[in-house]
Amino acid sequence: DVKVTQSSRYLVKRTGEKVFLECVQDMDHENMFWYRQDPGLGLRLIYFSYDVKMKEKGDIPEGYSVSREKKERFSLILESASTNQTSMYLCASSLLNRNNYGYTFGSGTRLTVV
Amino acid sequence: DQQVKQNSPSLSVQEGRISILNCDYTNSMFDYFLWYKKYPAEGPTFLISISSIKDKNEDGRFTVFLNKSAKHLSLHIVPSQPGDSAVYFCAASAAGAQKLVFGQGTRLTINP
Repeated sequence: DVKVTQSSRYLVKRTGEKVFLECVQDMDHENMFWYRQDPGLGLRLIYFSYDVKMKEKGDIPEGYSVSREKKERFSLILESASTNQTSMYLCASSLLNRNNYGYTFGSGTRLTVV
Repeated sequence: DQQVKQNSPSLSVQEGRISILNCDYTNSMFDYFLWYKKYPAEGPTFLISISSIKDKNEDGRFTVFLNKSAKHLSLHIVPSQPGDSAVYFCAASAAGAQKLVFGQGTRLTINP
């Protein structure tokens, strides 16, 4: 069974902390994505990567950075956490040429910044 | 600019009846559409998709209809079951694009 694994289900961090969210996929997918889900706003793309060491900004990249040193791992970094970054963070992966199933998502990380 | 819109934040339907979830889009370059289902504390899971060369795709109790001229798609669930209670996201992508654009989601509640 294919999987996207996010390292933490729940995180509580303090304002100003540097936060790392990790995502690993075992499907040999080229593409990986980070979204955040907020009520009434749906899923908004933060960053995505279509290859190792490659990254592109999504719709809301401010306050975030990413790292992809290996094909299977895509990390989201909050350089200095703020309360408006409290959200559900979802990682996803897909093949380079989209298939009928689009993305495979991880279970999400609920981040609370206090 | 919201390119994919789900204008109903929530929908409540009686068990056994039809659930109809709607989605509108503005980008005429979108040519592939998907519906995802999300339970609390889980990631979204793929439900059904449709290519712009079709106007209907069916999979068991789920049918997606696409009206390209109106830039509108809908998801029909018949009959609705309690396990269908979840948030449903509509998503779209353009040819050659690697990323999906999602709507805001609709929370569907099936009442016994």
